Amino acid sequence: DAKTTQPTSMDCAEGRAANLPCNHSTISGNEYVYWYRQIHSQGPQYIIHGLKNNETNEMASLIITEDRKSSTLILPHATLRDTAVYYCIVRVGRMDSSYKLIFGSGTRLLVRP
Amino acid sequence: NAGVTQTPKFRVLKTGQSMTLLCAQDMNHEYMYWYRQDPGMGLRLIHYSVGEGTTAKGEVPDGYNVSRLKKQNFLLGLESAAPSQTSVYFCASSYRGQMYGYTFGSGTRLTVV
Repeated sequence: DAKTTQPTSMDCAEGRAANLPCNHSTISGNEYVYWYRQIHSQGPQYIIHGLKNNETNEMASLIITEDRKSSTLILPHATLRDTAVYYCIVRVGRMDSSYKLIFGSGTRLLVRP
Repeated sequence: NAGVTQTPKFRVLKTGQSMTLLCAQDMNHEYMYWYRQDPGMGLRLIHYSVGEGTTAKGEVPDGYNVSRLKKQNFLLGLESAAPSQTSVYFCASSYRGQMYGYTFGSGTRLTVV
């Protein structure tokens, strides 16, 4: 599985866009990029995922570069409740018995008032 | 719709004691997982199950056993607790391993003294 690299911590002002980068230079053609977040003391929560096209849902947008070696999670209007640890995970998107999420250390995002 | 329920939420054990953590899900998910999270670190996979009666080892299985006798329940056992097993334990489930569909419980905070 491809390894991901994320900054340890970031901050942004409330109401502004939060852009969280992730490098995955060894990603292979059949690996998806998944984003989860963990708000303090809670279980992780799914945010968004993508293969090669940009994706958007009610929570965030995911921008994947054309060479797929990096991606950016965008929270368009960050609120204080978005303060959390954000995990970028690269995994094969098929269903078999080895199919499991492996978490790294993530990026700790602090949204400032 | 309870999702994933973990019991107990908190527990303090003495070194050498045994205990079982219970995870129950009501979403008819085939796959279930146990993770542990140490302070300031990401989640690490202990064991997982791809169906009733089947289990497999994750990244850090030593010192733990699991059982999946019913589809909706996944039990994590500590036969002889050690201080190194002090951690927050998260259970998760997913539909046939779909990685965008993990649902996590709220966690069990275990302290071994």
